[in-house]
Amino acid sequence: SQELEQSPQSLIVQEGKNLTINCTSSKTLYGLYWYKQKYGEGLIFLMMLQKGGEEKSHEKITAKLDEKKQQSSLHITASQPSHAGIYLCGAERTGTASKLTFGTGTRLQVTL
Amino acid sequence: DADVTQTPRNRITKTGKRIMLECSQTKGHDRMYWYRQDPGLGLRLIYYSFDVKDINKGEISDGYSVSRQAQAKFSLSLESAIPNQTALYFCATSDRASGSVGSYNEQFFGPGTRLTVL
Repeated sequence: SQELEQSPQSLIVQEGKNLTINCTSSKTLYGLYWYKQKYGEGLIFLMMLQKGGEEKSHEKITAKLDEKKQQSSLHITASQPSHAGIYLCGAERTGTASKLTFGTGTRLQVTL
Repeated sequence: DADVTQTPRNRITKTGKRIMLECSQTKGHDRMYWYRQDPGLGLRLIYYSFDVKDINKGEISDGYSVSRQAQAKFSLSLESAIPNQTALYFCATSDRASGSVGSYNEQFFGPGTRLTVL
């Protein structure tokens, strides 16, 4: 089974609506990375969380890491068509020397 | 100019052919990675290199080999391509970890190579 589970696998929201994507690890994390991928393109780094309970925001995107450092959520407020793409979480585990294990991704579509 | 470049961007080949995918970076990073992306499986690590003399297998290295020609170049080869190696391949780079709390290793990705093996 996947060490890193993302949900939902896909999401269709109307422009202006809020949405949340979840990433759950079976093991405690050293760091959790969020990336966005536009269809057929490379990954763009969004933010990284490392401390239990940490929360970071960039424009309309907020990511949180729970206290146990096993679950993270990515919340988008007032979604726009530019938010469409695939969101991936990547986990860095202690002792893995910067190797990342990625989730399967969440495909987001934003309708007008 | 892009910091991480991959060539070719698209490639169609036949079963049994030898294929090389190339990655170059201008970020000055020591660490380089090769991933493949398949629908529903996310990104999986094929090989990674922490410096020119350090090459390591990832979770799915069978059927692949790599060469780190210089700090800036990391090539992935498919010795004898097979159809289930059809995928989107990404190269990534990162800087050396400082090891202290608060440091992290953001990976910078290339645009990807779409490989189709017929």
